[in-house]
Amino acid sequence: GENVEQHPSTLSVQEGDSAVIKCTYSDSASNYFPWYKQELGKGPQLIIDIRSNVGEKKDQRIAVTLNKTAKHFSLHITETQPEDSAVYFCAATLNTGFQKLVFGTGTRLLVSP
Amino acid sequence: SQTIHQWPATLVQPVGSPLSLECTVEGTSNPNLYWYRQAAGRGLQLLFYSVGIGQISSEVPQNLSASRPQDRQFILSSKKLLLSDSGFYLCAWSRRDRARYGYTFGSGTRLTVV
Repeated sequence: GENVEQHPSTLSVQEGDSAVIKCTYSDSASNYFPWYKQELGKGPQLIIDIRSNVGEKKDQRIAVTLNKTAKHFSLHITETQPEDSAVYFCAATLNTGFQKLVFGTGTRLLVSP
Repeated sequence: SQTIHQWPATLVQPVGSPLSLECTVEGTSNPNLYWYRQAAGRGLQLLFYSVGIGQISSEVPQNLSASRPQDRQFILSSKKLLLSDSGFYLCAWSRRDRARYGYTFGSGTRLTVV
């Protein structure tokens, strides 16, 4: 089955800096990779996703890159703001049949003003 | 639009008492439904998932059970709570036909067993 590893577990940056969170997956058949942001005391929310036929996707200050050969994908946040502070989860799944997302262990991002 | 409701938001229960957490989804039909638990500062542990009424799959052996009495209702239960059942419980749904829409999570229930 799929296994997703996520690094780092914690990340502290200064406001305005960039933040990068990396994930690797084990199942080469996985083809859908979402990222979730979880604020304190709330449920995770989907912030961006990418499918295996795309190498990069951007949405304002956030972007995700995918390297299928190396089986890793990354979340990039530019010009970080204090409100970006949260726990971020990556996930991977197959886009066929029953889709059970396999989540990474999470990264706690702290953006200091 | 689709919405997911989860209640209660917080719950404090004594050891040995029963538990019932409810989750309902609106605005969609035949969703896949999921229960996750999140220990303090930890990742997401999948407890149960369901692809249809009465169809429950358990991911880990534990003191909990799940039921799906209606298409858009998912219930997490326990007959006797343990201290180790404390945590943040999340319900989620996804579309039956494709994964490209990912999961939508509820707002969670903070359970403290005392």
